Amino acid sequence: NAGVTQTPKFQVLKTGQSMTLQCAQDMNHEYMSWYRQDPGMGLRLIHYSVGAGITDQGEVPNGYNVSRSTTEDFPLRLLSAAPSQTSVYFCASSRGGDEQFFGPGTRLTVL
Amino acid sequence: QQQVKQSPQSLIVQKGGISIINCAYENTAFDYFPWYQQFPGKGPALLIAIRPDVSEKKEGRFTISFNKSAKQFSLHIMDSQPGDSATYFCAARETGANNLFFGTGTRLTVIP
Repeated sequence: NAGVTQTPKFQVLKTGQSMTLQCAQDMNHEYMSWYRQDPGMGLRLIHYSVGAGITDQGEVPNGYNVSRSTTEDFPLRLLSAAPSQTSVYFCASSRGGDEQFFGPGTRLTVL
Repeated sequence: QQQVKQSPQSLIVQKGGISIINCAYENTAFDYFPWYQQFPGKGPALLIAIRPDVSEKKEGRFTISFNKSAKQFSLHIMDSQPGDSATYFCAARETGANNLFFGTGTRLTVIP
C-alpha cells in the first residue's frame, strides 16, 4: 500500500493564481482531511470529508474549496492564491477510528 | 483560539535524559488524546494515544500521563536518544467526532 500520497511536493504561485493540491489514499478510508502547518501554530484543519460526496469546513476554510467524488481522492483547490496561504499542507485519512495517517505534505509559497 | 495548549515550544535534552512535554485543554467533550511525532520533511505519525479512563499509558520509552481533573496530559520520553529529535504534537478529539485539534508543537533536540 502506498498509504496517503500528495502531489506536488513543492509549488510556487503568484498572487491570484489558482491551483489544486492532490491527495489520494489506497486504504479505503472514509474520513479524509486537509491541514495547514504554520510555524508556532501547529496543524489547523481546513476541510474534511466523512465519505464520498460529503465535505465540511474546518477551522480555517476561507480561500479553499474541496470535493470528494471518490473514496480515494480528496483534492484541495486554491481559487485565488494569497501570500497568507504560504504554508505546508498535509492531507490525512482514517478509517473513522483513532489513528489518522498523514501524507508527506506539499510546501506552497505564494509570492 | 487554541483548543489545546502545548508547552514548551522547544526543548533540548541530553542523551539518556527524560523529555517532558505538557498539554492542557478546556473542552470536557474531548475523549481521545493522541501524540504525533514529525521528522523534518515528513508528515506527522501517531506515536501514542490515551483515553481519559486511564491515568497513564506506556509504550516502550514513551509514556502519557493524564490528569482528568486538571485537564492536562503530558508525554514523557525516557532515556531520550538523538533519534528522538523531532517535533511532537499533542492533539484532542471530541466524542463521536473525527476531527483532531492540535497543539502548537514542541521541537525536541536530543544532544549526544
